[in-house]
Amino acid sequence: DGGITQSPKYLFRKEGQNVTLSCEQNLNHDAMYWYRQDPGQGLRLIYYSQIVNDFQKGDIAEGYSVSREKKESFPLTVTSAQKNPTAFYLCASRPLTGGKNEQFFGPGTRLTVL
Amino acid sequence: SQQGEEDPQALSIQEGENATMNCSYKTSINNLQWYRQNSGRGLVHLILIRSNEREKHSGRLRVTLDTSKKSSSLLITASRAADTASYFCATVLLNNAGNMLTFGGGTRLMVKP
Repeated sequence: DGGITQSPKYLFRKEGQNVTLSCEQNLNHDAMYWYRQDPGQGLRLIYYSQIVNDFQKGDIAEGYSVSREKKESFPLTVTSAQKNPTAFYLCASRPLTGGKNEQFFGPGTRLTVL
Repeated sequence: SQQGEEDPQALSIQEGENATMNCSYKTSINNLQWYRQNSGRGLVHLILIRSNEREKHSGRLRVTLDTSKKSSSLLITASRAADTASYFCATVLLNNAGNMLTFGGGTRLMVKP
């Protein structure tokens, strides 16, 4: 059963804490992406990675960090430097070969700062 | 700032009617994609139209692209209550090495039974 999974579905954080959101895919996709979505808004790109051990900042990378140690996994850490972290976080992946431009999305993690 | 802007922001129609959503963008694109999002869920890819294409169909979906006006429209024909969702356009800019998507703000569609 191929797909992209995110965990947890809901996450609560106290101010000043770092939290890590998980994203795993078994689609053998090369590229992975993290987006942030605020209520009633579109998605904004946080970070992306096209290859293991390499990643690039997106439009709103400040206060976030990522790693790409394995092709299947692209965890996102929301650090205490992120001033307004409450949002819906979406992970996506895409193959870089085969001419497919579409991205495949996970179910999302809703992060709430208490 | 977002590349794409969608219009209307919200749309409410009766089942069986057609729904039209529009997307405008600012800079030249490689392709434009439409995605659907059910409340609280991830996005699902609906259709992709390349910059050299003017119209594409997929089932009850029809997408048009006018590069001279930098706009696209998504038409859902014979709508169903299950079509209730948010619809987003996303563009891939020309010479975008990472093929990154830039999303619009979305249209929230409600189809009343």
